Amino acid sequence: NAGVTQTPKFRVLKTGQSMTLLCAQDMNHEYMYWYRQDPGMGLRLIHYSVGEGTTAKGEVPDGYNVSRLKKQNFLLGLESAAPSQTSVYFCASSRTGMGSYNEQFFGPGTRLTVL
Amino acid sequence: AQSVTQLGSHVSVSEGALVLLRCNYSSSVPPYLFWYVQYPNQGLQLLLKYTTGATLVKGINGFEAEFKKSETSFHLTKPSAHMSDAAEYFCAASSGGGSYIPTFGRGTSLIVHP
Repeated sequence: NAGVTQTPKFRVLKTGQSMTLLCAQDMNHEYMYWYRQDPGMGLRLIHYSVGEGTTAKGEVPDGYNVSRLKKQNFLLGLESAAPSQTSVYFCASSRTGMGSYNEQFFGPGTRLTVL
Repeated sequence: AQSVTQLGSHVSVSEGALVLLRCNYSSSVPPYLFWYVQYPNQGLQLLLKYTTGATLVKGINGFEAEFKKSETSFHLTKPSAHMSDAAEYFCAASSGGGSYIPTFGRGTSLIVHP
C-alpha cells in the first residue's frame, strides 16, 4: 500500500496563478484533510471531508477550494495564489467507526512558494 | 471548543538524558489523545495514542505517555534521548463524543545535543 500520496512535491507559483494539489489514499478512509504548516504556527486545518462528495471548512479556508469527487482523492485548489499562501501543505486521511479513534495518516507534503 | 497546549516550542536535551514533552488538553469529555512525530522534510507519523483503558501508553522508538485525567495532561517521555530523536513532536486530541476532527498543538521541536 502506498498510503497517502501528494502531487506535486514542490511548486513555485507567481502571484495570481492558480494550481491544484492532489492527494490520494489507498486505505479506503472516509475522512480526508488538508493542512498547512508554517513556522511557529503548527498545523492549521484548511478544509476537510467526511466522505465522497462532501467538504467542510476548517480553521483557515479563505483563498482555497476543495473537491472530493472520488473517495480516494481530495483536491486542494488555489484560484489566485498570494505570497501569504507560501507554506508546506499536508494531506491526511483517517477511518471512522469502532476502533479507529480517528488516527490520521499523513502524506509527505507539498512545498509551495508563491512569488 | 477543544484546545491542545504544548508547553515549550523548543526543548533541548543532551544525548542520553530524559526527554519530557508536555501536552495539556481542555475538554469536558476525555478525548482520544495522540502524539505524532515529524522528521525533517517528512510528513507526520503516529508515535502513540491513548483511547481507553491503561493510562500509560507505550509507543515506537522507546517513547511513552501517561494520560492523567485530573491534570488534563498527556506528557511524552523517553528515558534516554538519542540523536535520531531530533524532530518536531505534535500532540493532538480527538473527541470521542462529538466531532472526530482532531485538534493539534503547535508542536515542540526536540533538539538533541551530543
